[in-house]
Amino acid sequence: GENVEQHPSTLSVQEGDSAVIKCTYSDSASNYFPWYKQELGKRPQLIIDIRSNVGEKKDQRIAVTLNKTAKHFSLHITETQPEDSAVYFCAASLAAGNKLTFGGGTRVLVKP
Amino acid sequence: DADVTQTPRNRITKTGKRIMLECSQTKGHDRMYWYRQDPGLGLRLIYYSFDVKDINKGEISDGYSVSRQAQAKFSLSLESAIPNQTALYFCATSGIGTSGSNEQFFGPGTRLTVL
Repeated sequence: GENVEQHPSTLSVQEGDSAVIKCTYSDSASNYFPWYKQELGKRPQLIIDIRSNVGEKKDQRIAVTLNKTAKHFSLHITETQPEDSAVYFCAASLAAGNKLTFGGGTRVLVKP
Repeated sequence: DADVTQTPRNRITKTGKRIMLECSQTKGHDRMYWYRQDPGLGLRLIYYSFDVKDINKGEISDGYSVSRQAQAKFSLSLESAIPNQTALYFCATSGIGTSGSNEQFFGPGTRLTVL
């Protein structure tokens, strides 16, 4: 089955700096890669996703890149703000709407 | 607003007890999932169901069972709870969201402690 590895497990950045989280996956058949943000005590919520026919996708201060050949994808957060402090999860799936395999999560702390 | 709800939100039980966690959704989605979350391990899939007559095991189904009573309801049971089943449990559905993607929507979670 699919295996998703996520690094780093914790990330501390200064407000205004950028944060990068990296994930690798094992199943070359995976085609859908969402990112979820989980604030303390809350449920995970989708923040951005990318499909295998796209190499990069941006939404305001967040972007995701995908390298299907190398089987890795990354989340980039620019101009970090205190409200970006949360746990971020990457995931992989055969298709959107299908079961997800999650990475272990990255706890991001943005220091004012 | 259409939502995914879970009951109970918190539960403390003893080893050997039978426990049922319930999930309901008003999103009209066919697909439903149960995950457990442990620190450092992310979310791991326990069971999933693509419609009322379809039940599938996930990566960690041992010690759990599920029932899909209706399109809107998907219950998770622990027949004989053990301490290493202490975790945060999330129900999820999948369908088209405001992003236009066929995304998964999570319930608020149930924190289960097995003593």
